[in-house]
Amino acid sequence: EAQVTQNPRYLITVTGKKLTVTCSQNMNHEYMSWYRQDPGLGLRQIYYSMNVEVTDKGDVPEGYKVSRKEKRNFPLILESPSPNQTSLYFCASSPGLAGVVSEQFFGPGTRLTVL
Amino acid sequence: QQQVKQSPQSLIVQKGGISIINCAYENTAFDYFPWYQQFPGKGPALLIAIRPDVSEKKEGRFTISFNKSAKQFSLHIMDSQPGDSATYFCAARRGGGYQKVTFGTGTKLQVIP
Repeated sequence: EAQVTQNPRYLITVTGKKLTVTCSQNMNHEYMSWYRQDPGLGLRQIYYSMNVEVTDKGDVPEGYKVSRKEKRNFPLILESPSPNQTSLYFCASSPGLAGVVSEQFFGPGTRLTVL
Repeated sequence: QQQVKQSPQSLIVQKGGISIINCAYENTAFDYFPWYQQFPGKGPALLIAIRPDVSEKKEGRFTISFNKSAKQFSLHIMDSQPGDSATYFCAARRGGGYQKVTFGTGTKLQVIP
């Protein structure tokens, strides 16, 4: 089944404790992105990747890191989480070459709480 | 700053009625305008999308109207059904091969029987 998977689905942690949220897709997509969803703010793009080893900042990259060492995986790293990073996080992937319109497929989400 | 402004924040429509959600954007570099539908506990899923060289696109009961000069686009849901109750997000993607996407703030639609 074609899908985007995220782990963990739920996480409660404390301020300053490094964490990684994994994202994997089995559709051989080139593009992957991370978003955070907050009430009243919609989805905001954190980082995106156009291919292996190619990443760029979205609208809200502060406090986050990403890496794209393999095409299928795009982990989101919070080196020192803070309470304002409490949010619902979505990973997404999409196929296609530059300039080609393509649909984004979203994962099921990771609900993160930072105490 | 919000580059894609979406309204209304919430909408209640009777079954069989027309639901209309509006979005406005500022950046003329956007080249792709999708609408996503999200049910509680799920990730967003693409509903319908349009490029700025087209003024209208229809897929079943869902229609996007696009006004390039006004930098506005809207989603119309005809014959709204209770199963359409969800949160809807408009979005805009920057052109030039980038995947930088800006979403609106979302509209929670409730269709009542």
